[in-house]
Amino acid sequence: NFMLTQPHSVSQSPGKTITISCTRSSGSIASDYVQWYQHRPGAAPTTVIYEDKERPSGVPDRFSGSIDTSSNSASLTISGLRTEDEADYYCQSYDASKWVFGGGTKLTVL
Amino acid sequence: EVEVVESGGGLVKPGGSLRLSCAAAGFTFSDYYMNWVRQPPGEGLQWVASISGRSDYRYYADSVRGRFTISRDNDRNSLYLLMNSLRAEDTAVYYCAKFGYLEPLGYWGQGTPVTVSS
Repeated sequence: NFMLTQPHSVSQSPGKTITISCTRSSGSIASDYVQWYQHRPGAAPTTVIYEDKERPSGVPDRFSGSIDTSSNSASLTISGLRTEDEADYYCQSYDASKWVFGGGTKLTVL
Repeated sequence: EVEVVESGGGLVKPGGSLRLSCAAAGFTFSDYYMNWVRQPPGEGLQWVASISGRSDYRYYADSVRGRFTISRDNDRNSLYLLMNSLRAEDTAVYYCAKFGYLEPLGYWGQGTPVTVSS
């Protein structure tokens, strides 16, 4: 069993770049793919990154994903921040027949 | 276009039961794992249960195992969650979601709220 730890909240100004981390507590971050979901209040969560770094069609290239085995973490980077990027972001990975979510990061664009 | 729509949420007393449904469209339903994920008020997303395309495999979070049952009807392109012995801590918005280990690109519904209260 492992946990995924995210910062509770981050904030940045429009047009800037932000990176949200997701640290795996045990086992290698490279063992299983990491997904990232964007969740606005009252809406369905949407996938912004899957398989560590892949972007679904329709997601702008301002969103990018990566993993770093030295820190055992995944990262979601959003460049050229827009007010509509304000949302909760969750990382997710797989752990032997069950799915694990990070605690979520509230992104404020101000 | 993939679409999943949940229904069946509501207010139920502790110890009661409720069945959630999810109607799916836009993909070959029987080919894919399906899941239920919930979000309690003020908390993050919690995986609840998964079921394989042909219902061969079913997996549950420890918190619901023995009380909740995930099932599907491939002829009706529908997913279900039967929730028994409900507790206050089961209060949450419940989401139906298509994702699996081999196809992790997820598609989610807008959720259906469940409140367990006397």
